[in-house]
Amino acid sequence: KAGVTQTPRYLIKTRGQQVTLSCSPISGHRSVSWYQQTPGQGLQFLFEYFSETQRNKGNFPGRFSGRQFSNSRSEMNVSTLELGDSALYLCASRPAGLFQETQYFGPGTRLLVL
Amino acid sequence: GENVEQHPSTLSVQEGDSAVIKCTYSDSASNYFPWYKQELGKRPQLIIDIRSNVGEKKDQRIAVTLNKTAKHFSLHITETQPEDSAVYFCAPTGGSNYKLTFGKGTLLTVNP
Repeated sequence: KAGVTQTPRYLIKTRGQQVTLSCSPISGHRSVSWYQQTPGQGLQFLFEYFSETQRNKGNFPGRFSGRQFSNSRSEMNVSTLELGDSALYLCASRPAGLFQETQYFGPGTRLLVL
Repeated sequence: GENVEQHPSTLSVQEGDSAVIKCTYSDSASNYFPWYKQELGKRPQLIIDIRSNVGEKKDQRIAVTLNKTAKHFSLHITETQPEDSAVYFCAPTGGSNYKLTFGKGTLLTVNP
């Protein structure tokens, strides 16, 4: 099976702009989670989607939002970008059945906010 | 929410030595305990995991041990090799931890 893919891989934006990142999970995986990775804070959980519904949300401001489509593909949006939003954004998918907690990560989208 | 602490934050060993990384968590309902490895510039990947009904699991040179009473689990790497150099993350899961909290990571450097 093809792995998790993310587009775009790199992105440069300026403060105040908004950005949309895309994640295609492994075929058959119904759960998609998003993480922000920075050198100082490690991997921080943004949110998880399952069957088009947000199942849980991390401690990020409302500028961070997401959605999931019926084919399990997911997008996350960040509005009114700030310099501190510069990070690697990783998505991860999993089947989400019983005993299927392993996260399969995509390569990430590296966002630079100027 | 789950509090996850990982120690040490950096670890440098000589090739052939052993390395141990410890992860402490707070949610007693956690029941799945994975370790992920992230090499420089690459995505995190699962290297070993354990469930709460097992105390230890081994896979060649790596092992994970779990102490549910004390709420910690550890990654053990024996006969380390330069390709083991990476950042390792723990991510105790289950119970109320649907927020999927990862430890802050341990940078392991194996010196040839």
